[in-house]
Amino acid sequence: EPEVTQTPSHQVTQMGQEVILRCVPISNHLYFYWYRQILGQKVEFLVSFYNNEISEKSEIFDDQFSVERPDGSNFTLKIRSTKLEDSAMYFCASSGGGTNEKLFFGSGTQLSVL
Amino acid sequence: QQQVKQSPQSLIVQKGGISIINCAYENTAFDYFPWYQQFPGKGPALLIAIRPDVSEKKEGRFTISFNKSAKQFSLHIMDSQPGDSATYFCAATHSNYQLIWGAGTKLIIKP
Repeated sequence: EPEVTQTPSHQVTQMGQEVILRCVPISNHLYFYWYRQILGQKVEFLVSFYNNEISEKSEIFDDQFSVERPDGSNFTLKIRSTKLEDSAMYFCASSGGGTNEKLFFGSGTQLSVL
Repeated sequence: QQQVKQSPQSLIVQKGGISIINCAYENTAFDYFPWYQQFPGKGPALLIAIRPDVSEKKEGRFTISFNKSAKQFSLHIMDSQPGDSATYFCAATHSNYQLIWGAGTKLIIKP
């Protein structure tokens, strides 16, 4: 089965630093998402991306966050100035037909902000 | 209105037993109800999903029961196996709106 690939698997950073989390969605998918999860708890929606623009974002996705699809394959999440509370597992997901279709998740990037 | 309430928070079932996880929602506009399964260190994976035009959907040992009038849906795992031990999330959405997730149920199947 096709996979969503995320790198790195772990990222440690100092508070205030910028981080970029990278994702390669499934090649023929059109909808892309970032979610986060703190310590195996609730999955929290951050942002959805379609047709090269943000289609929806949550309250968590403030001005410190941005997403980009710099080329035809990568989908990135940038956190401009990390805070301690940004420490979480960040999941990228993609789907062929929006949230009413199967979302394929990557294995996540564990972000630790010190 | 946008919440999905999931219970129980954790569940221990003997091997071969039936595992039942329940979810309730408020927004009557929701029209897609998936269940995701998550193993430690992995992202969630779609297990089974239902739309409100049917009251039940079965895939192998996994069944979703849907009660539109009560605004509830549940996941039943028949003949539960140790390999089913995972965290299960219900979710709901409508019109390609973001998925609204339940809080998750940690299921442990005892051999």
